[in-house]
Amino acid sequence: QKEVEQNSGPLSVPEGAIASLNCTYSDRGSQSFFWYRQYSGKSPELIMFIYSNGDKEDGRFTAQLNKASQYVSLLIRDSQPSDSATYLCAVNPYGNKLVFGAGTILRVKS
Amino acid sequence: GAVVSQHPSRVICKSGTSVKIECRSLDFQATTMFWYRQFPKQSLMLMATSNEGSKATYEQGVEKDKFLINHASLTLSTLTVTSAHPEDSSFYICSAVKGQANTEAFFGQGTRLTVV
Repeated sequence: QKEVEQNSGPLSVPEGAIASLNCTYSDRGSQSFFWYRQYSGKSPELIMFIYSNGDKEDGRFTAQLNKASQYVSLLIRDSQPSDSATYLCAVNPYGNKLVFGAGTILRVKS
Repeated sequence: GAVVSQHPSRVICKSGTSVKIECRSLDFQATTMFWYRQFPKQSLMLMATSNEGSKATYEQGVEKDKFLINHASLTLSTLTVTSAHPEDSSFYICSAVKGQANTEAFFGQGTRLTVV
């Protein structure tokens, strides 16, 4: 079982729609969770992080965490073509090490 | 945010030669830096954790004699791929941690290594 699992996609949504990206993790002791966006050929950039169960909103982005289900998601409202990228879920199992999922490709069609 | 500069962004080298990649934190001191590699359509794989003034900690399966890491100062870590082979061709990315929390981990631009 992979430590961090994501659906590889591609996930296609029309412009203006809500994109929902999901991630599950295996280490129940993980404390912090991150979403990164990576454009092709570029390095990842941090979008959001979340530590506590529930929702965390930042602009068009909402991260949702359910530790009991070992599940974290990212919602992107009013999706734009510029949001088209690979979204990486990362989990911090201990110390300051990050374990990344394989990423979900998002395509926003205008 | 903070700035992490990685150099070079692209390098092509011949088999058997060595390549050095630099990772610099430009506006903060980084006690810890991480080195990742990423193959096409795959996720980032942690290679090693680099701590200033001490030996790097390598992940299982990563050859420490092949991938030499030096973290000589709080703003610079280097990764040297020794005796490179075509299978070492990959995208290498560093990240630097600012502070104690992972919320303050910043990535370099990445280095595309092609070994011919």
